[in-house]
Amino acid sequence: EVQLVQSGAEVKKPGQSLKISCKGSGYTFASYWIAWARQMPGKGLEWVGIIYPGDSDTRYSPSFQGQVTITADISISTAYLQWNSLKASDTAIYYCAKGGDLYPNWFGPWGQGTLVTVSS
Amino acid sequence: DIVLTQSPGTLSSSPGESATLSCRASQSVNSNYLAWYQKQPGRPPRLVIYSASNRAPGIPDRFSGGGSGTEFTLTISRLEPEDFAVYYCQQYGSFLTFGGGTRLDIK
Repeated sequence: EVQLVQSGAEVKKPGQSLKISCKGSGYTFASYWIAWARQMPGKGLEWVGIIYPGDSDTRYSPSFQGQVTITADISISTAYLQWNSLKASDTAIYYCAKGGDLYPNWFGPWGQGTLVTVSS
Repeated sequence: DIVLTQSPGTLSSSPGESATLSCRASQSVNSNYLAWYQKQPGRPPRLVIYSASNRAPGIPDRFSGGGSGTEFTLTISRLEPEDFAVYYCQQYGSFLTFGGGTRLDIK
């Protein structure tokens, strides 16, 4: 069974750093795109960025370019989303999802989500 | 970037009825790159339709997708209580974008 399991909820202060994870299982992790998406409280879904773990080809949504870093470690089938300096506006649920092998054209299944709360 | 506009914003229907959700793109979208997702409160998104008209594994045949170019639809027939959720369309062109979502409410 293909599964993505995300790390647990985080509570951080503005200015702190954070790295959340997404571990894939049940498939060849290196060979499929992984996406990160965000859902802010009461809002719709937004794409953060995508990564192809096999060669670390990474692309960011313009809104998130320079604000976050997406990486992957194929030795442990895990993708990461990290921030160097969190802001209160980063408070949201972050989801990872498995994409296609050649193209990141649709995504499923999805991880359970990681709630990130940034508050002083 | 391609902008996806979903309508209506909210659709109220009753169990047993059919519902048709619309997704309009600002530029033509390759049908292979158009997908629909279901989002229920407290649960992660779920892929419903990929390549505009293909049901994802485990999705009942009450769900059907159609359209091409700049106009796409998701139709749900014989609505079940678990179908009431927010639905998002998504495209992959130069990059990924979601539509703003349609909330399907119980009337």
